[in-house]
Amino acid sequence: GESVGLHLPTLSVQEGDNSIINCAYSNSASDYFIWYKQESGKGPQFIIDIRSNMDKRQGQRVTVLLNKTVKHLSLQIAATQPGDSAVYFCAENVYGQNFVFGPGTRLSVLP
Amino acid sequence: KAGVTQTPRYLIKTRGQQVTLSCSPISGHRSVSWYQQTPGQGLQFLFEYFSETQRNKGNFPGRFSGRQFSNSRSEMNVSTLELGDSALYLCASRPGPQETQYFGPGTRLLVL
Repeated sequence: GESVGLHLPTLSVQEGDNSIINCAYSNSASDYFIWYKQESGKGPQFIIDIRSNMDKRQGQRVTVLLNKTVKHLSLQIAATQPGDSAVYFCAENVYGQNFVFGPGTRLSVLP
Repeated sequence: KAGVTQTPRYLIKTRGQQVTLSCSPISGHRSVSWYQQTPGQGLQFLFEYFSETQRNKGNFPGRFSGRQFSNSRSEMNVSTLELGDSALYLCASRPGPQETQYFGPGTRLLVL
């Protein structure tokens, strides 16, 4: 189904700490996933992706974990910085179909 | 490469009018998708075009339509605007199925 984002969960972390943002996806047939970051007034920005044949993928300061058994995706941000403050979306995809987005999580980095 | 571009960036219309939004994808990307983003509903998929053909469609009324040209540029049209159509309209492009999708900055539409 489509995203029904009625409430936006908020995660507050201290600058320098690690952040973990979670996402429960809906379709067990989904085999491609993307994390996006959206800052106020801007379009979503690609952060990292992962395919279903992987459990973990690392980028610069970010790691995505995929647990297909419980349909769960997480984004870990190391040494969180003020510039990381934004809304983070996970998106799931089945080959040939459109992406479906989660409701998003607002990350607030405290000084 | 230049990113996804959308025009106009801001638009104010009145109820009953119609509007056309434009999207230029990243060079080489053949797929263009459109989304509506509102605070209450999040990111909602409108439709996707690939090589000038609509491939996927979301749950929006027929007032929302789109098309894609041979150069992969896409337009989205909303007829008989309603107050509830006020939103950020986002365009995203990707080279093909299950490739990474990149977003443009969006067009913010306000319907009065």
